[in-house]
This record gives sequence, structure tokens and C-alpha cells, in this order.
Amino acid sequence: GQNIDQPTEMTATEGAIVQINCTYQTSGFNGLFWYQQHAGEAPTFLSYNVLDGLEEKGRFSSFLSRSKGYSYLLLKELQMKDSASYLCAVSDSNYQLIWGAGTKLIIKP
Amino acid sequence: GAVVSQHPSWVICKSGTSVKIECRSLDFQATTMFWYRQFPKQSLMLMATSNEGSKATYEQGVEKDKFLINHASLTLSTLTVTSAHPEDSSFYICSASGQGATSPLHFGNGTRLTVT
Repeated sequence: GQNIDQPTEMTATEGAIVQINCTYQTSGFNGLFWYQQHAGEAPTFLSYNVLDGLEEKGRFSSFLSRSKGYSYLLLKELQMKDSASYLCAVSDSNYQLIWGAGTKLIIKP
Repeated sequence: GAVVSQHPSWVICKSGTSVKIECRSLDFQATTMFWYRQFPKQSLMLMATSNEGSKATYEQGVEKDKFLINHASLTLSTLTVTSAHPEDSSFYICSASGQGATSPLHFGNGTRLTVT
């Protein structure tokens, strides 16, 4: 079967760095997406990786290793507004999105 | 960037009535739109894939006669919850992607449905 694993919840301190991991097992691979979802709101697109390596976009970076079926989202200089759920999603061989359950990130002052 | 508009943002209805939710792609044509449902503290659950000009494809366990989907144009898809019951109360979100199979999904702001 197809499976996306990510931690249920993480806690970090304002100003610090946090890494949210995502491992996947899917039938085929056409890219991995990260989304941010604040409570009561719809998800918003953060990043897309299809090749191995690190993609940096401001305070957020996303890394992919296809051979390991592994990705992480790195958030630097954490701000209180970064408190949200972070969803990992993989596009499979049919370009269908397989969603992880999301990681709830709690930022403490 | 691509914008998806969803309306209404929230709705309260009585049990047994029907509710229609609209999803529009504002600056791009979407041959395919997706409808998700999300219960509190749970992940997104894909309900159905809406294809312009053809019947929607429903996920297993989703009643097609209860959740009617109409994708009549390249910029509009609607989801109608028929004969709503309290257990249908949820957060309904639509999404669409731009050109290319690897384009990211862009989400509407969601509709919070409460059935009393």
C-alpha cells in the first residue's frame, strides 16, 4: 500500500530552527509537496521537490532524497505565526496526491 | 499565482436540507478540481475528483447521490450536500491545479458546514 509518515506533533521555541520529517512509500513518484495549514483554514502551498537536494525559499527549506523515500521541511528563525500543521503529500505514478496526516507544530515564546 | 475562490465560507443549515458549495478558479482553467473533507484534528480526506464535462470520480465510501458534484465549466465546480445530517458537519475544501501534472494544488478557503 501507499503510506506517508510524519510526526504527529512537534514543539519548538520562537527564534529557533525546527525540522519536520516525512517518509513515504508510494507506487511511483512524481514529486513531493509541503503545505502549511493554520487551524480552521485551508492549506497553502509551501514547496515542491522532484529532484534530490535542498530547495531554499526564505526561512523555509525543503529537502528530498528519493532513494531513501525521505523529505524534510526546515523552518528557521521561527515565529509565533509559524504555529500550524504542516502536511507532506506525494504525487504517485498516476499523479494522484497521497497525503500525510500532518505535523502540528507548536511554537513557544 | 493561481487563485481558487470558494463560497460560502461558512453555512449553518437544518437537518434534511441541501447545501451548495461553489469552487472557482479565478485566473486559470481547471479541467480537474478536487473536493476534500476535513474533520477536526484530522487530515484531509479526498472525497471526489471533479472533471469538467464528465462525471466526477468518487473515493470509496463517499456516496455519490448524497454529494452531488457538477463541473460545468473550466472555472467552476459545485458540491451539493443533499439531505444534510449533523454527521455531515465538517470543513469542505476544494482545490485545483494549474497547467501540468506536477503543478501544486491551490486550495479554496474552505467551507465550514454546520448541520443542526
